[in-house]
Amino acid sequence: EAEVAQSPRYKITEKSQAVAFWCDPISGHATLYWYRQILGQGPELLVQFQDESVVDDSQLPKDRFSAERLKGVDSTLKIQPAELGDSAMYLCASSFSGKGNTIYFGEGSWLTVV
Amino acid sequence: AQKITQTQPGMFVQEKEAVTLDCTYDTSDPSYGLFWYKQPSSGEMIFLIYQGSYDQQNATEGRYSLNFQKARKSANLVISASQLGDSAMYFCAMREGRDTGRRALTFGSGTRLQVQP
Repeated sequence: EAEVAQSPRYKITEKSQAVAFWCDPISGHATLYWYRQILGQGPELLVQFQDESVVDDSQLPKDRFSAERLKGVDSTLKIQPAELGDSAMYLCASSFSGKGNTIYFGEGSWLTVV
Repeated sequence: AQKITQTQPGMFVQEKEAVTLDCTYDTSDPSYGLFWYKQPSSGEMIFLIYQGSYDQQNATEGRYSLNFQKARKSANLVISASQLGDSAMYFCAMREGRDTGRRALTFGSGTRLQVQP
């Protein structure tokens, strides 16, 4: 079964360092999402792509976070500089663009900022 | 205002019994979709079941069913014959708008289910 691939699975970084996460969606999925999930809470959308274009980045802290999907396939989420409050799981998800289609999630990338 | 409300932070159920996880939602859009996901301790979000706002019948997927009460704006998940492997966090989520394939999900805060032997 096709999956959303994410890496790294776990990342520990020091405060003020840069960190990047990579996501490869299910083949053919035009829509890609990055979510952040703080421990004990539900995921919250950071950014949504339709092909290579950003559809919604209203909740992305743009002073330190950036996201790109240059060729409309895989995507990178970057944090620079990382802060202690960025410790969370970063989930990538993808879906077809048709009505009612399910959003499929990757295994997530756990980030700990020390 | 919260769009998705899950009022049960934690639930216990005996193995082989049925359990209902509550979810209420808030939207003014007549077209929307409701989803339930399971998140085990490993972190992966596993899709369980989907209900569209115009669907006439309640959705079912194996041991999972969705008790959809549109007038009450509730979409409760029912798990029949609970198994130990059902122990996990469960999230209710909603996608609003006619062109729902292009919209992101809004999640509730989750319910932690523990199945006891």
